[in-house]
Amino acid sequence: KAGVTQTPRYLIKTRGQQVTLSCSPISGHRSVSWYQQTPGQGLQFLFEYFSETQRNKGNFPGRFSGRQFSNSRSEMNVSTLELGDSALYLCASSLIGRGNEQFFGPGTRLTVL
Amino acid sequence: AQTVTQSQPEMSVQEAETVTLSCTYDTSESDYYLFWYKQPPSRQMILVIRQEAYKQQNATENRFSVNFQKAAKSFSLKISDSQLGDAAMYFCAYRGGNDMRFGAGTRLTVKP
Repeated sequence: KAGVTQTPRYLIKTRGQQVTLSCSPISGHRSVSWYQQTPGQGLQFLFEYFSETQRNKGNFPGRFSGRQFSNSRSEMNVSTLELGDSALYLCASSLIGRGNEQFFGPGTRLTVL
Repeated sequence: AQTVTQSQPEMSVQEAETVTLSCTYDTSESDYYLFWYKQPPSRQMILVIRQEAYKQQNATENRFSVNFQKAAKSFSLKISDSQLGDAAMYFCAYRGGNDMRFGAGTRLTVKP
């Protein structure tokens, strides 16, 4: 099976812009989670989607949003970018169930100038 | 709020020796899962081992094993016969209720 893919891999934006990141889960995985990874804050949970519905949400401002499509592909959007949004954004897919392994993608490296 | 603490930012081990990475967590849930993930340099995060809170037996996966102390809320990872390929960031993770949290990570260096 193909792994989790994320596009784009690298992105440079300026403050105030918005960005959309895409994630294609492993075939058959209907749960998709997003994480922000930074050197200072580590890995932080953004949100989780299952069957096009947001199941869980981390403690991030409303500028961070996401959605999931009927084919389980997911996108996350960050509006009004701030310098602090520079991070590696990781997507992970899994079968439904808290104990199931999450398979991570390679991430999208976002740099905000 | 549930927190996951990895008190060792960096660890070093000689090849073929054993190393233990520490993790403690805080939760009021009774049903949850614990994981150790590995993130090699410039590579994707992969699952090393998982433990269900209801299972008393410690999980083992080849050279990797855990010491799960539920009452103490401790979940350490032991790597036996360390190999150069074990060098990576290791993250302890907790999943319970609607929550998924990771520790800050421990960078493991393996010396030849």
